[in-house]
Amino acid sequence: DSGVTQTPKHLITATGQRVTLRCSPRSGDLSVYWYQQSLDQGLQFLIQYYNGEERAKGNILERFSAQQFPDLHSELNLSSLELGDSALYFCASSRRGTGDMYEQYFGPGTRLTVT
Amino acid sequence: EDQVTQSPEALRLQEGESSSLNCSYTVSGLRGLFWYRQDPGKGPEFLFTLYSAGEEKEKERLKATLTKKESFLHITAPKPEDSATYLCAVQAMTTDSWGKLQFGAGTQVVVTP
Repeated sequence: DSGVTQTPKHLITATGQRVTLRCSPRSGDLSVYWYQQSLDQGLQFLIQYYNGEERAKGNILERFSAQQFPDLHSELNLSSLELGDSALYFCASSRRGTGDMYEQYFGPGTRLTVT
Repeated sequence: EDQVTQSPEALRLQEGESSSLNCSYTVSGLRGLFWYRQDPGKGPEFLFTLYSAGEEKEKERLKATLTKKESFLHITAPKPEDSATYLCAVQAMTTDSWGKLQFGAGTQVVVTP
């Protein structure tokens, strides 16, 4: 158990809908990362927040957005869902992340299925 | 553009048969190289971080090494419970990447009794 929690574990929804994925980092970790894992793309970095502020963006679609709240939990919002958005979504956390090398610990993931 | 290539894609081992996985990388200044283990449908589990060429780290039957262009994960006398996908990731020094990890596609290891 990494200490990172994610809810829900599974999500099934229809095309065009909007969903919210939630992540709670390990106690004491200030940085939260979101990754998408699909069979054909592997693990892809989406976005990073550090202590409430966005710090880095990867290949995140405009239909996707995220935020980190004062209690440091984070939410990833996915809207206008398409079949191709079906994937495993992982959250990771680290002590810092402002360019320093701190290990990222991953949560169990949310499996999103868009029908 | 940063790239991480892992080989082989898949590896089938007999219990006790040692082997090595390769991770080749090109990055504009390596800040760190990370190894993770992932079981099907689960989140990646952190194994090692390597910071500079020549560095080695060990954990049970696993040993990770780093050169300027690649990293190796050696599995010594593997057991069936070592079956998993092993992922390599790099973190670049560029300021716009911050904590971003660039992952390879992974090596799927199956250890049979």
